[in-house]
Amino acid sequence: QKEVEQDPGPLSVPEGAIVSLNCTYSNSAFQYFMWYRQYSRKGPELLMYTYSSGNKEDGRFTAQVDKSSKYISLFIRDSQPSDSATYLCAMTPGGSYIPTFGRGTSLIVHP
Amino acid sequence: DSGVTQTPKHLITATGQRVTLRCSPRSGDLSVYWYQQSLDQGLQFLIQYYNGEERAKGNILERFSAQQFPDLHSELNLSSLELGDSALYFCASSGGLAGADTQYFGPGTRLTVL
Repeated sequence: QKEVEQDPGPLSVPEGAIVSLNCTYSNSAFQYFMWYRQYSRKGPELLMYTYSSGNKEDGRFTAQVDKSSKYISLFIRDSQPSDSATYLCAMTPGGSYIPTFGRGTSLIVHP
Repeated sequence: DSGVTQTPKHLITATGQRVTLRCSPRSGDLSVYWYQQSLDQGLQFLIQYYNGEERAKGNILERFSAQQFPDLHSELNLSSLELGDSALYFCASSGGLAGADTQYFGPGTRLTVL
């Protein structure tokens, strides 16, 4: 079992839909949780960054962490075709910044 | 644009050869990280340098080595290349050494080994 599990998709949704992307993990030491967006042939770009459990909102994006269930989510409201990309979750224990990445979920938002 | 630059963008070479990938971090960032991304393994951490010193090692093969120079740019050297080394290689940089910090990724170098 990998430390971080993420469904590779692809996830195909119509424009305007609410998208839910998820990761599960097994290492209870993880404290910092991140979501990256990666467009085709580009480097990952940090979208959201949260510490411990709870919700964090930034525009159309909401990150949610449930440490008791070892489960994190990224919600995208009013999805746009420009949101089509691969979304990678990443997490790290406190005291170091060497994140463990999920494999990424490919999202396709069609007009 | 993250501010991290990587050269070259593409590299095509043959098995058994040696290549060097170059990374310039964002202005002011002291840490450089190297990652390998392949379809079957995802994004894998290779090695971290902080202000010229090696700080952390991940799944880096012995055939691979890296260094960070006084001007903070970094090079990743890959030798005795095998077909399985074909992948995207990313460099990322951040300001701090450890703890909660943000990594900014470069555009990557696509290595193809024939």
